[in-house]
Amino acid sequence: QSALTQDASVSGSPGQSITISCTETSSDIGGHNSVSWYQQRPGRAPQLIIYDVTVRPSGVSYRFSGSKSDNTASLTISALQAEDEALYYCSSYTSPSAVLFGGGTMVTVL
Amino acid sequence: QVHLVQSGAEVKRPGASVKVSCKASGFTFASSYIHWVRQAPGQGLEWMGWISPNAGHTSYAQKVQGRVTLTASTSTRTAYMELRSLTSDDTALYYCARGWTQHYFDPWGQGALVTVSS
Repeated sequence: QSALTQDASVSGSPGQSITISCTETSSDIGGHNSVSWYQQRPGRAPQLIIYDVTVRPSGVSYRFSGSKSDNTASLTISALQAEDEALYYCSSYTSPSAVLFGGGTMVTVL
Repeated sequence: QVHLVQSGAEVKRPGASVKVSCKASGFTFASSYIHWVRQAPGQGLEWMGWISPNAGHTSYAQKVQGRVTLTASTSTRTAYMELRSLTSDDTALYYCARGWTQHYFDPWGQGALVTVSS
């Protein structure tokens, strides 16, 4: 059974760039582009910030970017700001017609 | 503006069932997907399933398959999630979300807290 593994936490100083990784235990991520990322601020519902590996929905800051290499997807936050402190979850399509979430990465702005 | 409003908090006994509603506005409900995701206290997100309101097609996560039923009414633009045979492990905040496709979804409802306790 597939699983998505994320680092538990990542931190950075304001203005720096950080990268969060999401590794699929099988080769599913490498075989399609249905990878998305969600941001969840404390006490709030999650919000979609990246879909189809690299696409930002309207209204999402250009500082968020996504990529994929083999079975690992990545989310990069550039010019880190205090408001970026949140939990970040990757998500992937998995057959048949199901969705899988990673365990989440807590981003701390130092 | 796309908006999803969920029903209120529920407290249930072990073995009971719960039905959470999700009323949609601001988009073409019938031709979208509605996803359901839950989050246990202090834990991560767990996808439960989706429904296509127009066709009534559904897909469920293996973990809850057999205990969960997703339904939707296009006339009232409301989706429902029913979970049966509740245990304490089902205590969580249950979210509905508008599916752009079968794979990703936004925005989300405000969540409905379901507490299972004897």
